[in-house]
Amino acid sequence: DQQVKQNSPSLSVQEGRISILNCDYTNSMFDYFLWYKKYPAEGPTFLISISSIKDKNEDGRFTVFLNKSAKHLSLHIVPSQPGDSAVYFCAVAVSGSARQLTFGSGTQLTVLP
Amino acid sequence: GAGVSQTPSNKVTEKGKYVELRCDPISGHTALYWYRQSLGQGPEFLIYFQGTGAADDSGLPNDRFFAVRPEGSVSTLKIQRTERGDSAVYLCASSIGLASDTQYFGPGTRLTVL
Repeated sequence: DQQVKQNSPSLSVQEGRISILNCDYTNSMFDYFLWYKKYPAEGPTFLISISSIKDKNEDGRFTVFLNKSAKHLSLHIVPSQPGDSAVYFCAVAVSGSARQLTFGSGTQLTVLP
Repeated sequence: GAGVSQTPSNKVTEKGKYVELRCDPISGHTALYWYRQSLGQGPEFLIYFQGTGAADDSGLPNDRFFAVRPEGSVSTLKIQRTERGDSAVYLCASSIGLASDTQYFGPGTRLTVL
């Protein structure tokens, strides 16, 4: 019973275009949401986060959108660059209580030059 | 500054053997986490330490798995009587220790049980 789902295992995008990665969660108790990026043979690297009091958070080329009613979050990367090619994981947590992150299964993003 | 380090990077063992995986967190980080990532999956939470004590070990799959952090810094994940299903990448992360702070991950130890 997956609590966090990333339904697209892979995504290919042309350099300079927008990449949109999606994530759905099932438990409305989750109130803190994160995206991590992972290169081969490295650990996940924190990218951007958002708390449930906001619906958008932006950091440079990366923007995370949260739709609480739909229990859906997305990561937008614009413009996409070849160096963005990696596996992207969404993760969710209940802030202030359990410290564990629950991850989705990841989406492999390939940005084509 | 130095990030989270994990040793060994790769470990191959035989079914039934005992293994220890080590994690060195970022200096000054009081919180330490262990996760396990199987092929094609995201990391799964195993255990969380705040200081020396295990604050949440609800993710440990069974009593063959145990972790310690005796001095509140380095942590060791111990697996007894390894099984082929234990094969995975074991990731360690650390954080400052405040609520909802960022977890920084190490490169992981790839465990293969033959």
